[in-house]
Amino acid sequence: AQKVTQAQTEISVVEKEDVTLDCVYETRDTTYYLFWYKQPPSGELVFLIRRNSFDEQNEISGRYSWNFQKSTSSFNFTITASQVVDSAVYFCALSEDSNYQLIWGAGTKLIIKP
Amino acid sequence: DTAVSQTPKYLVTQMGNDKSIKCEQNLGHDTMYWYKQDSKKFLKIMFSYNNKELIINETVPNRFSPKSPDKAHLNLHINSLELGDSAVYFCASRSGGAEADTQYFGPGTRLTVL
Repeated sequence: AQKVTQAQTEISVVEKEDVTLDCVYETRDTTYYLFWYKQPPSGELVFLIRRNSFDEQNEISGRYSWNFQKSTSSFNFTITASQVVDSAVYFCALSEDSNYQLIWGAGTKLIIKP
Repeated sequence: DTAVSQTPKYLVTQMGNDKSIKCEQNLGHDTMYWYKQDSKKFLKIMFSYNNKELIINETVPNRFSPKSPDKAHLNLHINSLELGDSAVYFCASRSGGAEADTQYFGPGTRLTVL
């Protein structure tokens, strides 16, 4: 069965600290896709990144980076030098090639204090 | 140039009323979805349409009825509203192309039933 676990319900750090949000997934498919979405206090869901199961290269986009490790079934998200504007709920999600239906993690609420 | 739009953004109504939420996407995508996000931020898929045909219909009370007049629109009609229907409802769309697995979300509609 497919499952996405975000064990950290809430993380609070002081601005400029680095923070890593964990995501562990379960799937039996060999072809699947992993996603991160951001939900700021304004409420919208913003797509951040997509990774397919054949591409284990780490991705960096500005202060954001993602570490995909198939060996541990993890797709972790790191924010470097966090800023108050990074405060949001972050969701990790999985979809399988068979139906593209998103399986969501419960989300991690990230609070960045000034 | 809004990609996925929903109206209204906020909806406050009395129990027992009937209401509709509209969704439109201008991305040319083939598949559209409705999700419900509860007060704990848990996202649950409700319906999915592909080219105006219903393809996912999760266990949702039949008071909820989706309608897709064309591939760019997916509206959600709710009859006899109940207190438990209070939530944020998100519309999303997905292409059938190269990144067919990525869903893009509308801004959400916060429904409050009094």
